[in-house]
Amino acid sequence: EAQVTQNPRYLITVTGKKLTVTCSQNMNHEYMSWYRQDPGLGLRQIYYSMNVEVTDKGDVPEGYKVSRKEKRNFPLILESPSPNQTSLYFCASSSRSGQGNYGYTFGSGTRLTVV
Amino acid sequence: LAKTTQPISMDSYEGQEVNITCSHNNIATNDYITWYQQFPSQGPRFIIQGYKTKVTNEVASLFIPADRKSSTLSLPRVSLSDTAVYYCLVGEPRDDKIIFGKGTRLHILP
Repeated sequence: EAQVTQNPRYLITVTGKKLTVTCSQNMNHEYMSWYRQDPGLGLRQIYYSMNVEVTDKGDVPEGYKVSRKEKRNFPLILESPSPNQTSLYFCASSSRSGQGNYGYTFGSGTRLTVV
Repeated sequence: LAKTTQPISMDSYEGQEVNITCSHNNIATNDYITWYQQFPSQGPRFIIQGYKTKVTNEVASLFIPADRKSSTLSLPRVSLSDTAVYYCLVGEPRDDKIIFGKGTRLHILP
């Protein structure tokens, strides 16, 4: 089944403790992206990657890092989490190869709480 | 990226057809129109995508007039499970950023 898999689904952590949220897709998509969703603010893009070793900032990149060493994986790293990063996070991927539609496939989400 | 405008919320009843319109006056030549559905605490789900005229799949229809400055998502015979937020996005397939607006909160009543 074509899908984007995020782990973990739920995470409670303490301020300053480094964490990584993993994202993996099995569709050979070139494009991957991370979003956070907060009440009243909608979905906001954190980082995106057009292909392996190519990443760029979205609208709210502060406090986050990403890497794209392999096509299928796009982990989101919080080096020193703070309470304002408590949010619902989504990873998404999309084809850029010119085949099929250009819709985005989203993961099921990771609910992060930083205390 | 073209800005989109959608109604904030809509109510309808089970079994009815629901039409959600999205305005995108500044749509560019290469832009496609894509609609997503999102349930609480779940990721948005791709519903339908189109460039012009009409597109239909097993879930919905998308109507796009000739000037492409708006589009209408049509959901036939809705059920309670169609209660969700619906997002209209406009952009070129090779865009690096996609921007989700506030979407339309659709509430289906029994």
